[in-house]
Amino acid sequence: DAGITQSPRHKVTETGTPVTLRCHQTENHRYMYWYRQDPGHGLRLIHYSYGVKDTDKGEVSDGYSVSRSKTEDFLLTLESATSSQTSVYFCAISAGVGYGYTFGSGTRLTVV
Amino acid sequence: AQSVAQPEDQVNVAEGNPLTVKCTYSVSGNPYLFWYVQYPNRGLQFLLKYITGDNLVKGSYGFEAEFNKSQTSFHLKKPSALVSDSALYFCAVRLNDYKLSFGAGTTVTVRA
Repeated sequence: DAGITQSPRHKVTETGTPVTLRCHQTENHRYMYWYRQDPGHGLRLIHYSYGVKDTDKGEVSDGYSVSRSKTEDFLLTLESATSSQTSVYFCAISAGVGYGYTFGSGTRLTVV
Repeated sequence: AQSVAQPEDQVNVAEGNPLTVKCTYSVSGNPYLFWYVQYPNRGLQFLLKYITGDNLVKGSYGFEAEFNKSQTSFHLKKPSALVSDSALYFCAVRLNDYKLSFGAGTTVTVRA
């Protein structure tokens, strides 16, 4: 979607290795989010940010960390990837909940 | 807890027939409600939202939704479905000033 990009789009990694996914926005929105999408579970919030260096945990944060050193970038790190973290990861941005979210195109991560 | 429920995992309709995707909500106070659509291998796209005002909300691609406070529902509707409407649909509700809670999703299949 315009204004938000995720990289990489696809990644295969080995169990136990660290992985970092990047979300970049050009909208100057305050709020950024990382979700994972799995069959039967819908969308689950991993971490979110409400400003530079301000982040908080979502419902499935174990095994993940995030950083936001600039307004435009929100990084998601899998500290030591496990097979259970094979998923599609979506980043979203928002100017405030009344405006809804804008989602990125997703990163398909496979941990082997 | 504030949440939304999508009671149907799947909805199947014939092209040209009316399409309804159901959503019920449970919130304290006035709800902010949203519908998103996800096409295969894509991120979620915003369809429409209800915050206040007219109970019938019109959105993208010919979709509309009706807010019903007495039934705590926000069903998505389209008078005449197209094969291209086949996708995964998510209902969402505001949790606080910066977070949404998503339903589990409903897969819509429109047969030619």
